[in-house]
Amino acid sequence: AQSVTQLGSHVSVSEGALVLLRCNYSSSVPPYLFWYVQYPNQGLQLLLKYTTGATLVKGINGFEAEFKKSETSFHLTKPSAHMSDAAEYFCAVTTNSGNTPLVFGKGTRLSVIA
Amino acid sequence: EAGVAQSPRYKIIEKRQSVAFWCNPISGHATLYWYQQILGQGPKLLIQFQNNGVVDDSQLPKDRFSAERLKGVDSTLKIQPAKLEDSAVYLCASSLPGTGGVYGYTFGSGTRLTVV
Repeated sequence: AQSVTQLGSHVSVSEGALVLLRCNYSSSVPPYLFWYVQYPNQGLQLLLKYTTGATLVKGINGFEAEFKKSETSFHLTKPSAHMSDAAEYFCAVTTNSGNTPLVFGKGTRLSVIA
Repeated sequence: EAGVAQSPRYKIIEKRQSVAFWCNPISGHATLYWYQQILGQGPKLLIQFQNNGVVDDSQLPKDRFSAERLKGVDSTLKIQPAKLEDSAVYLCASSLPGTGGVYGYTFGSGTRLTVV
């Protein structure tokens, strides 16, 4: 079975500062990894995903994440935070079996301070 | 393309009442998921459909929750009777069959249920 651990339920950064949201996964088979963002009263929007190939993946809104198999990590970063980045971020894992459902972490709430 | 449609957006009911949520996935998406998101937690899968068949309902509290997707298109999730701990956002998502692991899912805006 797969699982995801997101370190830090709440992260606060200043506008323009580096954003780092941590995600570690557990999977007995090669994982597919995702980051989703959720704005208040909205559904989840896909930020980026890792399936195969390049381990550094770029997503929307300037976010990127690096798959590190040796560390079982998939941390999300953005060089410079913007006020509009304030939201809830979820890391999720599945496998290369198309019918395995996504398993989500508990989420990290990002606050951006002006 | 149109997104995943859910209704209602908000619902307030008293405990022991019943409630139903509706979801219409993206056209052509044969796989449909219902997730429960309790405040402060990540979404938890309740049930997964492939067309009109159930693939996974191992985490669905079957004594009070039921779901159907009779024609393999839209789906209804029902709770009867509701408990206070059922207060949550109920998210519907869809994906092309067998591709959820490659492309991820498309989520609806959710239904926020408050049980008082």
